[in-house]
Amino acid sequence: NAGVTQTPKFQVLKTGQSMTLQCAQDMNHNSMYWYRQDPGMGLRLIYYSASEGTTDKGEVPNGYNVSRLNKREFSLRLESAAPSQTSVYFCASSIHGGEPDEQYFGPGTRLTVT
Amino acid sequence: SQQGEEDPQALSIQEGENATMNCSYKTSINNLQWYRQNSGRGLVHLILIRSNEREKHSGRLRVTLDTSKKSSSLLITASRAADTASYFCASASYNQGGKLIFGQGTELSVKP
Repeated sequence: NAGVTQTPKFQVLKTGQSMTLQCAQDMNHNSMYWYRQDPGMGLRLIYYSASEGTTDKGEVPNGYNVSRLNKREFSLRLESAAPSQTSVYFCASSIHGGEPDEQYFGPGTRLTVT
Repeated sequence: SQQGEEDPQALSIQEGENATMNCSYKTSINNLQWYRQNSGRGLVHLILIRSNEREKHSGRLRVTLDTSKKSSSLLITASRAADTASYFCASASYNQGGKLIFGQGTELSVKP
């Protein structure tokens, strides 16, 4: 049982390049989330998927797109990377059968945009 | 910003002492959760307290919740060097679809 996995672990992009961050969970969870973490800012929600087939914007969605590929996988795409997107990105999942419940986090992707 | 606030931002104590971290949030909640993050790692869930609960214990952790003041506190008793980490509170509401609103975190350093 791997929990939540993320790839890649590290990435360096040039301004304007695109990339997709991958996330998968093997806990049969309904909901999945993408956060970014910047120094002194805590975690901010980018996008989330409450259930397979649905996605919604979080607090900081600009510059990102997401795809809930199936129940296990939730990807985050940067179409044209900007230096302001330099951050650590975390994927999380939760059962979310009704009550907001605990979230399980992946190890993170450290992204630098130059 | 929707983010909650945590206090203090940083805390340094000796092993064996107690550590108290405070959290304030902005909207009515269904529950409030505390997470721990070791340097360079993902967050790990510690404890969840529901809006109709006032206090909850888990091992050396004690969490209190005051919904009238929109605040919570996390107490770690008899701290150990291994407790060194950042601690985050996160508020959750039914009408936010399961989303969590995180505070900015308290960085705890426990010196042996």
